[in-house]
Amino acid sequence: QKEVEQNSGPLSVPEGAIASLNCTYSDRGSQSFFWYRQYSGKSPELIMFIYSNGDKEDGRFTAQLNKASQYVSLLIRDSQPSDSATYLCAVKRDNAGNMLTFGGGTRLMVKP
Amino acid sequence: GAGVSQSPSNKVTEKGKDVELRCDPISGHTALYWYRQSLGQGLEFLIYFQGNSAPDKSGLPSDRFSAERTGGSVSTLTIQRTQQEDSAVYLCASSLGGGGRVETQYFGPGTRLLVL
Repeated sequence: QKEVEQNSGPLSVPEGAIASLNCTYSDRGSQSFFWYRQYSGKSPELIMFIYSNGDKEDGRFTAQLNKASQYVSLLIRDSQPSDSATYLCAVKRDNAGNMLTFGGGTRLMVKP
Repeated sequence: GAGVSQSPSNKVTEKGKDVELRCDPISGHTALYWYRQSLGQGLEFLIYFQGNSAPDKSGLPSDRFSAERTGGSVSTLTIQRTQQEDSAVYLCASSLGGGGRVETQYFGPGTRLLVL
């Protein structure tokens, strides 16, 4: 079992819809969770992080964390074609210093 | 000032040659990370430097790979006797290194390595 798992996709949604991206992790000692966006040919850029159970909203983005079920999700409201990218979930584990463990990423395609 | 910088941006080399990739982290960041990303794949962790501590080399795929960080700042990743399977994008990231819950890593633009 991979430490951080994501569906590779592609996840295709129409413009204006809500895109839901999911990530599960295996280490219950994980502290913090990060969502990065990576456009094709570019390096990852941080969208948002979450470390408390529940929802955290930032503009059109909402991160949801459920530690009991060991999953974290990212919702993108009013999806735009410019949101088309690969979304990487990363986990900071309790005993791994500052290191992050990345999932394989989910490719999102928003169709006009 | 700016973000993480890496050089060269692109490198084409012949099989068997050695290559050096450079990373200049954000000023004041004590933690530095190297990752490798093959086409269409996720990030593969290679090595992690934290301040003056011994680096975590657990992700290096073979003894042909090594890295150093001089003066706690610039880092060089060296690949000896390159193989075609080494072709990938090599990404460097840095973070403050304070160890808090929100230890955000900031990525450089990457070096695209092609081994012919």
